[in-house]
Amino acid sequence: SQTIHQWPATLVQPVGSPLSLECTVEGTSNPNLYWYRQAAGRGLQLLFYSVGIGQISSEVPQNLSASRPQDRQFILSSKKLLLSDSGFYLCAWSGYWTPGSGNTIYFGEGSWLTVV
Amino acid sequence: GENVEQHPSTLSVQEGDSAVIKCTYSDSASNYFPWYKQELGKRPQLIIDIRSNVGEKKDQRIAVTLNKTAKHFSLHITETQPEDSAVYFCAASKGYSTLTFGKGTMLLVSP
Repeated sequence: SQTIHQWPATLVQPVGSPLSLECTVEGTSNPNLYWYRQAAGRGLQLLFYSVGIGQISSEVPQNLSASRPQDRQFILSSKKLLLSDSGFYLCAWSGYWTPGSGNTIYFGEGSWLTVV
Repeated sequence: GENVEQHPSTLSVQEGDSAVIKCTYSDSASNYFPWYKQELGKRPQLIIDIRSNVGEKKDQRIAVTLNKTAKHFSLHITETQPEDSAVYFCAASKGYSTLTFGKGTMLLVSP
């Protein structure tokens, strides 16, 4: 079965410091990978998605970036964090789409980021 | 692109009552509609989904209905229990496009 791992689970970072969140998926190949952010009490904001190694699409302009160095690895980074970057970050994956299937997304356990 | 509206934003019910959450979508080509449940501090998890070739789907106390003509779909929870308290998200997509999520409904079930 497929599993998704995301770390770290919690981190507190000062303003202006760098960020690296990592996510890996097991049990599937060539998944679509996603990074979402959820501010406190708010909805799910899609930040980045990737359909393959080195292929990254950005949904919103921001000081964050994403990379996919390996098929099942997705990394979210920032060079300098802002207070507004605080939130719950969720990595997610979906499988190979076929006409009879839906694009079901499965989420990792999330990373709580507090920028102070 | 697709736009998904979800109502209500908050829903309070007594244990044992039914709860209904409604979503509308804008793109008539959308054909996949999942629902996710997110408990406090945890990740969203898929609880039920429906495809456009089906009008209704049930799984124990949970059901989803789809009206393609009106472009809306609803989540129905019967005999609610305190453990049903969570934020529920609807979503829609077409083909291989990414899911578009609604803004969520906080369901509070009081004992």
